[in-house]
Amino acid sequence: ETGVTQTPRHLVMGMTNKKSLKCEQHLGHNAMYWYKQSAKKPLELMFVYSLEERVENNSVPSRFSPECPNSSHLFLHLHTLQPEDSALYLCASSQEWGSSYEQYFGPGTRLTVT
Amino acid sequence: KNEVEQSPQNLTAQEGEFITINCSYSVGISALHWLQQHPGGGIVSLFMLSSGKKKHGRLIATINIQEKHSSLHITASHPRDSAVYICAVGTFGNEKLTFGTGTRLTIIP
Repeated sequence: ETGVTQTPRHLVMGMTNKKSLKCEQHLGHNAMYWYKQSAKKPLELMFVYSLEERVENNSVPSRFSPECPNSSHLFLHLHTLQPEDSALYLCASSQEWGSSYEQYFGPGTRLTVT
Repeated sequence: KNEVEQSPQNLTAQEGEFITINCSYSVGISALHWLQQHPGGGIVSLFMLSSGKKKHGRLIATINIQEKHSSLHITASHPRDSAVYICAVGTFGNEKLTFGTGTRLTIIP
């Protein structure tokens, strides 16, 4: 399997549930990203990991908790979400952390919070 | 903070037409990215450039640093080009990308 994969592709959860999104990259990249995409809004960067260390936390509420156990895997743990958290969550990776590196995106997880 | 504006927001054209999508930004940049997002959500990087012009197949991206403006052109457009095209810029000293809101392109057969 190549590229960036994300699971699940679709997720419906209640506000009291706990769930996790998973991202895996098979490109040998050192940086991984979580983005949120809401309708009619630009992509919002949530978290960045470089060499398994978090280097960016873009004022994201604590109900979103990232985890990067190794350079190939990235998780986003979700708990007590709000309906406004419903969005497309995209994972990406790049050779290194920085705006001059091409980012490779996964297919996204469509999250609906009920 | 860099502001990124794309125009038009929506574009509908007939198959075969020459397409131009524009991106303007407010602060000097280190790199500009053009991305394509198909229905269903997946995003593909089309180009990354910091000066001049790049070409890949029917796609051409140009950038004018002095005018803080980039264009994405599609020649001989095809219905499979229908997607949202997103411009994103990186600024010196800031490793995060700033994204535009995208241009939704629809090519009618």
